[in-house]
Amino acid sequence: AQSVTQLGSHVSVSEGALVLLRCNYSSSVPPYLFWYVQYPNQGLQLLLKYTTGATLVKGINGFEAEFKKSETSFHLTKPSAHMSDAAEYFCAVRPFGNEKLTFGTGTRLTIIP
Amino acid sequence: DGGITQSPKYLFRKEGQNVTLSCEQNLNHDAMYWYRQDPGQGLRLIYYSQIVNDFQKGDIAEGYSVSREKKESFPLTVTSAQKNPTAFYLCASSMKVWGNQPQHFGDGTRLSIL
Repeated sequence: AQSVTQLGSHVSVSEGALVLLRCNYSSSVPPYLFWYVQYPNQGLQLLLKYTTGATLVKGINGFEAEFKKSETSFHLTKPSAHMSDAAEYFCAVRPFGNEKLTFGTGTRLTIIP
Repeated sequence: DGGITQSPKYLFRKEGQNVTLSCEQNLNHDAMYWYRQDPGQGLRLIYYSQIVNDFQKGDIAEGYSVSREKKESFPLTVTSAQKNPTAFYLCASSMKVWGNQPQHFGDGTRLSIL
């Protein structure tokens, strides 16, 4: 069975600083990986996804993530945080050939002015 | 614009009452899903449907029921058997259940107990 671990349920960064949100997964077969963002009282919005090919994936709002198979990681980064980035972020994994999408427990990002 | 519409946005349930949450999509997606979100627990799958007139239980189906009579619609009923229904409920859809296509989400329904 697959699982997703997001290290740090709360992360705070200063405006303009680097954003790093961590995601590690376990899967017995190659996975598809996703990052979603959720603003208060709203649904989830896709930031980016990794399927196959290039391991560095660029998404919306200046975010990107790198798939590292050897580390079973898919960390989300943004070079310079903006106040509008304050939200909750979810990492999700679906192993190839499996129909189930498994979500991590989320990381709440706070931006300090 | 295509998307997923959930209604109502807020819902209150009385003791012993069944309530139904609506989910409609105009994305022409085959697959639809219901998730429950509780603080600190991420999203947990309640039910999903791959095609009209077919649906499968997820991880926490007890106390819930669904139907899929039309491709666009996947309503969720929270029955009186669900003893702790207070949560944020999210509906999602995707082209297929399998593969690398992402799920698209509605804006949720927040259910509370009176």
